[in-house]
Amino acid sequence: SQTIHQWPATLVQPVGSPLSLECTVEGTSNPNLYWYRQAAGRGLQLLFYSVGIGQISSEVPQNLSASRPQDRQFILSSKKLLLSDSGFYLCAWTRSGGNEKLFFGSGTQLSVL
Amino acid sequence: RKEVEQDPGPFNVPEGATVAFNCTYSNSASQSFFWYRQDCRKEPKLLMSVYSSGNEDGRFTAQLNRASQYISLLIRDSKLSDSATYLCVVGSNDYKLSFGAGTTVTVRA
Repeated sequence: SQTIHQWPATLVQPVGSPLSLECTVEGTSNPNLYWYRQAAGRGLQLLFYSVGIGQISSEVPQNLSASRPQDRQFILSSKKLLLSDSGFYLCAWTRSGGNEKLFFGSGTQLSVL
Repeated sequence: RKEVEQDPGPFNVPEGATVAFNCTYSNSASQSFFWYRQDCRKEPKLLMSVYSSGNEDGRFTAQLNRASQYISLLIRDSKLSDSATYLCVVGSNDYKLSFGAGTTVTVRA
């Protein structure tokens, strides 16, 4: 069966510090991978998605970046965090192709202070 | 106009009641439709896919109306454990799925 791991679960970072969130998927190959952010009381905002190694599509211009160094690994990074980067970050995967169900990791609650 | 719109609620219903709510989508080329459930501070979890002919899973019934571009979710015999935010998700012919902001349901004893 397929599983998705995301860590850490919670993170408190000072403004201006770097960020690295990691996500890995097991039990499948060539998944589509996604990073979403959910601000408090708001809907999910798609940040990045990837359909293959090294392929990253950005949905929202910001100080975040994403990388996919391996087939089942997706990393969200920032060189300098802003207060507005606070939120609930969710990694997700679908089978390759479109119109597939999304499966989410357990999320990272990021607080930038 | 947002791609996916939902009534935010909250829908506050007693145990055993029926509650129903809709979600509208703007892209007529949309091809996949889902309902997800999200509990506070947790990740969304797939509740059910929505098929053209409508489908049922226990106490949950989902319908799709392509002509009017909306999907619906009906919960029968509500349980306290049904209290959550229900997210409408729509996919078109690409790799992105669009989320509604969610409908909050609170079931009271």
